[in-house]
Amino acid sequence: GAVVSQHPSWVICKSGTSVKIECRSLDFQATTMFWYRQFPKQSLMLMATSNEGSKATYEQGVEKDKFLINHASLTLSTLTVTSAHPEDSSFYICSASTGTLSTDTQYFGPGTRLTVL
Amino acid sequence: TQLLEQSPQFLSIQEGENLTVYCNSSSVFSSLQWYRQEPGEGPVLLVTVVTGGEVKKLKRLTFQFGDARKDSSLHITAAQPGDTGLYLCAGRLRGSNYKLTFGKGTLLTVNP
Repeated sequence: GAVVSQHPSWVICKSGTSVKIECRSLDFQATTMFWYRQFPKQSLMLMATSNEGSKATYEQGVEKDKFLINHASLTLSTLTVTSAHPEDSSFYICSASTGTLSTDTQYFGPGTRLTVL
Repeated sequence: TQLLEQSPQFLSIQEGENLTVYCNSSSVFSSLQWYRQEPGEGPVLLVTVVTGGEVKKLKRLTFQFGDARKDSSLHITAAQPGDTGLYLCAGRLRGSNYKLTFGKGTLLTVNP
């Protein structure tokens, strides 16, 4: 089956620093990748959708200058949390899809736990 | 406002019992999916339903999509401790695109 990996699996950083999270599709080419955020005991909230080679589309309320997304290849997307603050502490999950049809499956990564001190 | 309402939010049962989790909306979905998520991990897809009235079975799990494609249910027969986890429904709105809208989830605990 399709496998999506994330790195790192967890990260602790100081307030004000930037953190980069990688999302890779290991055995398929992902034209579209999605980034979600999940707070404790809450559901997944879509942050942005990225297509390879183009700018990401951010959901309402998500600051694009704070959450930088780069989808440089068909197997790699990165999310950079710039000038992180404690309220950015969350579980960040990516998913990857082979297309943008409503029937295309999203394959989820294992998530990255970010803790900002 | 939550587009997909899941109930119950929490469910704690004994091994061997049956249970049903509901996912409701006032909107119509072109497809709906159920995921299971364990702590510290990403969600794992269990099933996708696309046709109104569709019923799918996965071993002891039975999934149903409402006739009007606005709601869905997940029924587990003879629950086992290994069924413990967060069950999430997620749907794609009709006429929308590939975006998935998630419910808040049902946290199931099956006690041995």
